[in-house]
Amino acid sequence: ELKVEQNPLFLSMQEGKNYTIYCNYSTTSDRLYWYRQDPGKSLESLFVLLSNGAVKQEGRLMASLDTKARLSTLHITAAVHDLSATYFCAEGETSGSRLTFGEGTQLTVNP
Amino acid sequence: DAGITQSPRHKVTETGTPVTLRCHQTENHRYMYWYRQDPGHGLRLIHYSYGVKDTDKGEVSDGYSVSRSKTEDFLLTLESATSSQTSVYFCAIKGQASSGGYTFGSGTRLTVV
Repeated sequence: ELKVEQNPLFLSMQEGKNYTIYCNYSTTSDRLYWYRQDPGKSLESLFVLLSNGAVKQEGRLMASLDTKARLSTLHITAAVHDLSATYFCAEGETSGSRLTFGEGTQLTVNP
Repeated sequence: DAGITQSPRHKVTETGTPVTLRCHQTENHRYMYWYRQDPGHGLRLIHYSYGVKDTDKGEVSDGYSVSRSKTEDFLLTLESATSSQTSVYFCAIKGQASSGGYTFGSGTRLTVV
């Protein structure tokens, strides 16, 4: 059974600071997804990581994947208030099509 | 948005009544999913479909059934709603990784009173 653990679950940070959200997963999957969710909204795709060592960046967010360690990270650089949201990682089955989510990290960026 | 719509967006129903949620896609994707979202649990898979009339259970399927008689529609039914099924339900389709992989609908907020 797939299991995905994110930490921290709650993160309050100041504008301009850097931080990393960690996502540990349970299998040897090489498919990892990151989503953003604003309150009351749907999930917005941020990154799709499909191989060991994959690194993707968009603005102040950078995601990476280490399949050997079964770890993905979402790094936030010089946070701004607009990044306040809940961030989910999700593991995709290697030989299937199901997606298993972590609990989510609720990020609040304070002025 | 990305050709996936859910209906209704909000529903309040009484315990013991049947409820059907609809997910409609316009992009002919093979895979469709129903998730529920609850505080402290992230999103959990209820059922999914890999083709017309082809469905399978997810991790929280008890109390739910699904049907897919057409490629574009995936229905989720609560046969006899209970208060524990109060949740936000999301439908998703699996697309190409280059377009973000899985795309989610806007969600249905269901309250069982």
